[in-house]
Amino acid sequence: QVHLQESGPGLVKPSETLSLTCTVSNGSITTHYWTWIRQPPGKGLEWIGYIYFIGNTNHNPSLKSRVTMSLDTSENQLSLKLTSVTAADTAVYYCARIEGDNSIVYWGQGTLVTVSS
Amino acid sequence: DVVMTQSPLSLPVTLGQPASISCRSSQSLVYGDGKTYLHWFQQRPGQSPRRLIYKVFNRDSGVPDRFSGSGSGTDFTLKISRVEAEDVGVYYCMQGAHWPYTFGQGTKLEIK
Repeated sequence: QVHLQESGPGLVKPSETLSLTCTVSNGSITTHYWTWIRQPPGKGLEWIGYIYFIGNTNHNPSLKSRVTMSLDTSENQLSLKLTSVTAADTAVYYCARIEGDNSIVYWGQGTLVTVSS
Repeated sequence: DVVMTQSPLSLPVTLGQPASISCRSSQSLVYGDGKTYLHWFQQRPGQSPRRLIYKVFNRDSGVPDRFSGSGSGTDFTLKISRVEAEDVGVYYCMQGAHWPYTFGQGTKLEIK
């Protein structure tokens, strides 16, 4: 059973950079595409972007160019950086593994990131 | 972006009664392989989403057979034949055919 665990600061100041890491266990990050999805408190789910280990990445155009995703194959981790954050970026951030039909079976437990001074 | 519109957004149901959630997409969800990339998720309070149905009608392992999915083109439905207490939560449809992939707004199922 693949397990994903997000980690990172729970509080980020406006205009600063949100940085999260997701550690994957019981499975290699080289076998699938991976994604970050976020959910503002009490609201719905939004795809942030996806990444594959050979360097194929894409992000949601709604986030413009604020998103950077990367993989560390030696640590079996994926990471997310979101720059110039505002209160609108306050959300639970999930890392997840993308299946062949572009859906998700394996999710992390999610981590709440609050943007506030 | 493909807009996914769910209805109703709130669904109070009596235990043992059926429930139905509609999901409409703003364009066809047929992927390059000819399959329809429409999936359903359940999110119980305080939990991560859980996939219930993939590619319209395929039920995931461990999902009770009271859950079923149907539809085609741009019109899809999730049905629960007899609602149980453990079904309380928010249900989302999601399209994986066109990037950015998108979810519906969610339908909150509660027990009446």
